[in-house]
Amino acid sequence: GAVVSQHPSWVICKSGTSVKIECRSLDFQATTMFWYRQFPKQSLMLMATSNEGSKATYEQGVEKDKFLINHASLTLSTLTVTSAHPEDSSFYICSAIAGDKNGELFFGEGSRLTVL
Amino acid sequence: DAKTTQPTSMDCAEGRAANLPCNHSTISGNEYVYWYRQIHSQGPQYIIHGLKNNETNEMASLIITEDRKSSTLILPHATLRDTAVYYCIVRPGSSNTGKLIFGQGTTLQVKP
Repeated sequence: GAVVSQHPSWVICKSGTSVKIECRSLDFQATTMFWYRQFPKQSLMLMATSNEGSKATYEQGVEKDKFLINHASLTLSTLTVTSAHPEDSSFYICSAIAGDKNGELFFGEGSRLTVL
Repeated sequence: DAKTTQPTSMDCAEGRAANLPCNHSTISGNEYVYWYRQIHSQGPQYIIHGLKNNETNEMASLIITEDRKSSTLILPHATLRDTAVYYCIVRPGSSNTGKLIFGQGTTLQVKP
């Protein structure tokens, strides 16, 4: 099956620093990617929709200046958590729509962020 | 908001069939029913999807009622490795814009 890879799989950072998480589609072109956040024992919460070459669309309540999303190519989207604080500690998951595979949706393995 | 409702949790004996129900009474005509599962600290894994006909693959079977307002995911012979949170989601099929909104899912505990 199609593969979506996230990097890093886990990261620990100090409060106030910025962290970048990458999401790559390894064997298909992803015209659209989604970013989710998941807190312990909760479901996935959609943060934003990212389309290649255009600005991301953020869900209500998600700060676009806090969570910077870039989708510069058909195989890569990045999420940057700026000036991270302990409350930003979470599991971040990306997913990608395979435009050349009948629009099927594939998920990355997730990235766990811990802010000290 | 999620368009599906599922029981919060279920138990199943190892080797028995696990039947996970899902209600999606407001499903639109062009929306498919998708099932994903998430094992602890991993990304969701695709299981199966369908529009109105029953579907079967190597992982599971999907039974959709005739009025499409509910469906059941069947794991025919549950193993301990099937313990996970199972999410039922409706999404426009063959669409390059259909985002997935997750509900709370069903936590399936397979017991020896």
